[in-house]
Formats: sequence, C-alpha cells, structure tokens
Amino acid sequence: RKEVEQDPGPFNVPEGATVAFNCTYSNSASQSFFWYRQDCRKEPKLLMSVYSSGNEDGRFTAQLNRASQYISLLIRDSKLSDSATYLCVVRSDYKLSFGAGTTVTVRA
Amino acid sequence: DAGVTQSPTHLIKTRGQHVTLRCSPISGHKSVSWYQQVLGQGPQFIFQYYEKEERGRGNFPDRFSARQFPNYSSELNVNALLLGDSALYLCASSTRTGATNEKLFFGSGTQLSVL
Repeated sequence: RKEVEQDPGPFNVPEGATVAFNCTYSNSASQSFFWYRQDCRKEPKLLMSVYSSGNEDGRFTAQLNRASQYISLLIRDSKLSDSATYLCVVRSDYKLSFGAGTTVTVRA
Repeated sequence: DAGVTQSPTHLIKTRGQHVTLRCSPISGHKSVSWYQQVLGQGPQFIFQYYEKEERGRGNFPDRFSARQFPNYSSELNVNALLLGDSALYLCASSTRTGATNEKLFFGSGTQLSVL
C-alpha cells in the first residue's frame, strides 16, 4: 500500500468554480501534513500546512481528519493560475512522503 | 537572497556510468534532503543530511550515496546508472531536521536522462 494516495484527476473546472479533492495516508503516527503545488516539471512549492482544526489561506481551505487518515484541499473561486498538480505531503520523523499528485486544470 | 540552487539543470548519461549532482541550500539552512521524481509520480525520499551527518535514508540501493560539506552544500552520487534512474532529482533545504512544521524549500532540480 502506498504511504500517501491521491485521486490523480484531472479535475477540469471553469474559472470561478469550486474544486475539492482528498488524499489518504497509511501511517497513523504521521506528525504533520502539507499541500504542495507543482507546475509542469518544476519544483514543488509549499502551498500550505494542514492543521487538525482546519485552516484557510485566502481561497484555499485544508482539512485534516486524523481518525480517518485523510486530508482535503478545497479551492474556491478558481483562477486560471490555479492550474497545477497538487501534492499531498505527510511527515513521519525526518521523512516527507508525497502523493503522486492531483492535476487541476482551470479553463476560461 | 538566493534560493536552493542545483547543478547541472540537465544531464544525459549512458547505462553503467556514474553521475554527481550538486546542491547549495538557502543561506542559513543546515539540512539538505534529496528526492527522486519519476514522471507521473510524486517525489520519493532518498537522503537527508543535517550538520554534515546522514539523518535518514529512503528505500534506494547502495548505488546511491550522498554527502554534505562544511558549508552545508551537498552532493548526490549515483553509480552504475540504470535506465530506471532517469528522473528529476530534487534537492530541498530547511533550517533544521525533524521539527513538526519544518518546511522544505526545493531547488528547480536536475533532469537526468539515462540512455
């Protein structure tokens, strides 16, 4: 079983739409959680940390459910510039484990 | 301030050859991690170094090795290259290792092609 699993998508949405997707992780002892964004074959960039109480950063909302071991990301009012691959990332000790990514394409 | 820098940006090698990839962390960062990203997959953890010592190792064969220098820069070495080693190799730096909310900053990577 993969350590982090994500729906690969693609999610193809119009500008202004809301899009949401999840990931699941296998290690119940995982300590911290992140969403990274990766544009086509460029380096991953931190989008936001994910906290147990849920957190927002502008149009982005992240949720963590430790009991069910899943993490979600919701994007409101999608912009063309939100088109990217979103990587779900889980930390266990020194190691970050990445999902394979969810591809989002926002169309005009 | 410069971000994480990696060199070279692209590299073409043949099977059986050896390769050295280089990484300079953000100034003040003492931890460097290496990741391999095969097309269509997420990055896979290879090594982490902190204060010049190996602090973690992923599930990669002994053909992969790394080291960190006194100035905190790092090298990743891969011997006896296989076709399957073709990937984007990412270096990431952080201020320290193991902190719960430690954030990694990635370089733009080295694209290695093995023919």
